[in-house]
Amino acid sequence: NAGVTQTPKFRILKIGQSMTLQCTQDMNHNYMYWYRQDPGMGLKLIYYSVGAGITDKGEVPNGYNVSRSTTEDFPLRLELAAPSQTSVYFCASSYSGGAKNTEAFFGQGTRLTVV
Amino acid sequence: EDKVVQSPLSLVVHEGDTVTLNCSYEVTNFRSLLWYKQEKKAPTFLFMLTSSGIEKKSGRLSSILDKKELFSILNITATQTGDSAIYLCAAATGGNEKLTFGTGTRLTIIP
Repeated sequence: NAGVTQTPKFRILKIGQSMTLQCTQDMNHNYMYWYRQDPGMGLKLIYYSVGAGITDKGEVPNGYNVSRSTTEDFPLRLELAAPSQTSVYFCASSYSGGAKNTEAFFGQGTRLTVV
Repeated sequence: EDKVVQSPLSLVVHEGDTVTLNCSYEVTNFRSLLWYKQEKKAPTFLFMLTSSGIEKKSGRLSSILDKKELFSILNITATQTGDSAIYLCAAATGGNEKLTFGTGTRLTIIP
């Protein structure tokens, strides 16, 4: 099982450029999340999704967009990159249904630098 | 707004010491409390707690949840240098299934 896969691992963007961080999971999890982690800080929720076709804003959604057209994929889009978006981005997924709730499984992260 | 607060923010102890990390939460429709360990990359799962007063244990690590007082603790006994990491707690909420993380406790173990 690959689990949660994020690409790319590293990226440098110029101010104003756009890019998409890819996230895919093969565990048939219904919930997916995007977090950012600034140096020395915890995880801040950007967006999350409780199923295909449904997305919700988290704590810090400004400057980002997401889509969830399939259960497996949850890409995060930066339209106009800004230095404040320099961070490490983590995608995660979990399953919740009936009496079964799993922990969140994390991808290995994408280190993004905006210059 | 859902909130998770961890304390202390950082902690430096000597190998062999016992540490207690704290996590308090204020969230709507609480479902479970999760603890993660983060070394260099992605957080790795430690415990999920859903019931009050029931200790979960894994080796030298243990954790307990108090749903009345809205907090959890993570204990590490006989600490080793490999325990050095950031320890994150998160509250999961039912219904919207949001996971809210605290800022973490950075634990450093000195040999």
